[in-house]
Amino acid sequence: SQQGEEDPQALSIQEGENATMNCSYKTSINNLQWYRQNSGRGLVHLILIRSNEREKHSGRLRVTLDTSKKSSSLLITASRAADTASYFCATDPLMNYGGSQGNLIFGKGTKLSVKP
Amino acid sequence: DAGVIQSPRHEVTEMGQEVTLRCKPISGHNSLFWYRQTMMRGLELLIYFNNNVPIDDSGMPEDRFSAKMPNASFSTLKIQPSEPRDSAVYFCASSRDRVSNQPQHFGDGTRLSIL
Repeated sequence: SQQGEEDPQALSIQEGENATMNCSYKTSINNLQWYRQNSGRGLVHLILIRSNEREKHSGRLRVTLDTSKKSSSLLITASRAADTASYFCATDPLMNYGGSQGNLIFGKGTKLSVKP
Repeated sequence: DAGVIQSPRHEVTEMGQEVTLRCKPISGHNSLFWYRQTMMRGLELLIYFNNNVPIDDSGMPEDRFSAKMPNASFSTLKIQPSEPRDSAVYFCASSRDRVSNQPQHFGDGTRLSIL
């Protein structure tokens, strides 16, 4: 079943602008991860944020997590044409016993286009 | 270090034929995942293994699909007989283990077309 839902489905911006993508999910989680997929390639892990963290940075990436709203956002600052790709959030659902399900559930992604 | 290696990269075959997709996970990774990606359904988990043992195969569409992991460095996904609706990109991914907080590393996929 779909756990993460990204919003918007597609985003087109100019180089140098910031890009913000959102993800909503349904159940409690251990962590949430963001991945990037370039055309014709596999997914590449970008950043992982644990359920007890609220914000995390990695280079030009900033991820926030609001567990009360069951949502996350990925901000790419000063975007470049090379950032053009699809971006997916993936959740690691928390099981009743407090452990991990062992696999991730991916959303359908946001397609980002950065125009030079 | 080599990443996850999948073969073939592209496969075109006629319906009814057997299709075998192959995956070599990253050395030292104990968990292996098979996904299918389509425009309509997005990325779907088919099956995953931990220490070569299938843990969850609830995503396998039907009995025509089977997956094996005979050792820590090799896995196959087989479709027999294949149908046009099986056309998709199939990804293999591996992670260090199934404990929480582990990222998954993906291969570049096999683009499968069933005519």
